[in-house]
Amino acid sequence: QSVLTQPPSVSAAPGQKVTISCSGSSPNIGNNYVSWYQQLRGAAPKLLIYDNSKRPSGIPDRFSGSKSGSSATLVITGLQTGDEADYYCGTWDSSLSARVFGGGTKLTVL
Amino acid sequence: VQLVQSGAEVKKPGESLKISCKGSGYRFTTYWIGWVRQMPGKGLEWMGIIYPADSDTIYSPSFQGQVTISADKSISTAYLQWSSLKASDTAIYYCSRHYGDSSSSIDYWGQGTLVTVSS
Repeated sequence: QSVLTQPPSVSAAPGQKVTISCSGSSPNIGNNYVSWYQQLRGAAPKLLIYDNSKRPSGIPDRFSGSKSGSSATLVITGLQTGDEADYYCGTWDSSLSARVFGGGTKLTVL
Repeated sequence: VQLVQSGAEVKKPGESLKISCKGSGYRFTTYWIGWVRQMPGKGLEWMGIIYPADSDTIYSPSFQGQVTISADKSISTAYLQWSSLKASDTAIYYCSRHYGDSSSSIDYWGQGTLVTVSS
């Protein structure tokens, strides 16, 4: 059972928008920055969003992140078939003194 | 920035193992570096990190006492070590770098090392 809760799967058509939620609590999301990772099939994870809403160089602005209270959201617009992947949220948990991840969300682009 | 991990391993239960991760393209000693486990078909689990400059180490409570994280700053390499492997240690292990302090996000990942433990 993951400390952070994500929906197991989401789906949408090419060109559409999808939202992936990440729910936590005060010791983790509530008081720490959230990051998001994309893991394509058979590959290592890749950083998409850090510090709640910042994009690393090279990440298109189709990917955006936000945080409110103890929840965070990843939004992907203009979906492409290449976006099919597992997406993970992560943050620091101050009570565990450890980094924690959500269970992952599988995105299917129909 | 590159994190290059050692190759896949096949071991028997009870054997010891040490896998490695060599960092390049950045100042190795001043970034936290650590390990993330991904069991077959499962999600990401943070194991712990080390600060190579002074070997300060933080373990996840789930992995404390189960593994040892170390680093050799002279060769810019971090290690993950087991003294007695179990079948349940079968997983892909990713090396990862944190961009800031110990609570900061992971910004770079290694390619992963598959460890298979089977009798």
